Amino acid sequence: AQSVTQPDIHITVSEGASLELRCNYSYGATPYLFWYVQSPGQGLQLLLKYFSGDTLVQGIKGFEAEFKRSQSSFNLRKPSVHWSDAAEYFCAVGTYGNKLVFGAGTILRVKS
Amino acid sequence: GAVVSQHPSRVICKSGTSVKIECRSLDFQATTMFWYRQFPKQSLMLMATSNEGSKATYEQGVEKDKFLINHASLTLSTLTVTSAHPEDSSFYICSAGSDRENEQYFGPGTRLTVT
Repeated sequence: AQSVTQPDIHITVSEGASLELRCNYSYGATPYLFWYVQSPGQGLQLLLKYFSGDTLVQGIKGFEAEFKRSQSSFNLRKPSVHWSDAAEYFCAVGTYGNKLVFGAGTILRVKS
Repeated sequence: GAVVSQHPSRVICKSGTSVKIECRSLDFQATTMFWYRQFPKQSLMLMATSNEGSKATYEQGVEKDKFLINHASLTLSTLTVTSAHPEDSSFYICSAGSDRENEQYFGPGTRLTVT
């Protein structure tokens, strides 16, 4: 069965520091992979997605992610975090019928 | 990106009553809509998938008679929580997708509180 693991429940980084959020997936076929961000009480905003092609994907708000098939990973990165990046981040894999399976989420806190 | 709205954003209802949540795709035709439920500090769990003009497909463990889903047009899907109980209190999020794209567009969510 498809699954997504986000091993870090909480991460705290200082403003201006770099960020990496981890995501590992389990899926039999070539995966469609997504990163979403959710602010408290809000819906989900798509940061970036990977369908095929270049394994380094650029997204909005300065985020990028790298697909590594050998490691079944799709980690999200940002070189310099801003206080407004504090939110919860979800990694998801797209499965048959365009369904999404989400990871448990990682809450990002930003120290000033 | 495409815009999906939900109404209401918050609703409080008494135990035993029913409440309807609307999900609209504002600028594209959504052949498929998805309904998710999110408990506090947890991830999104898919409840059901609805395709325009056909019956919804429910995920295992979701009571189809309790969570009625209607997808009558390409821009509107509704979720009705029937005979609501306090344990149904949750954050309900819809998303919409089209045949042309392998992507879902999410609504802002509806906070349901059952007293």
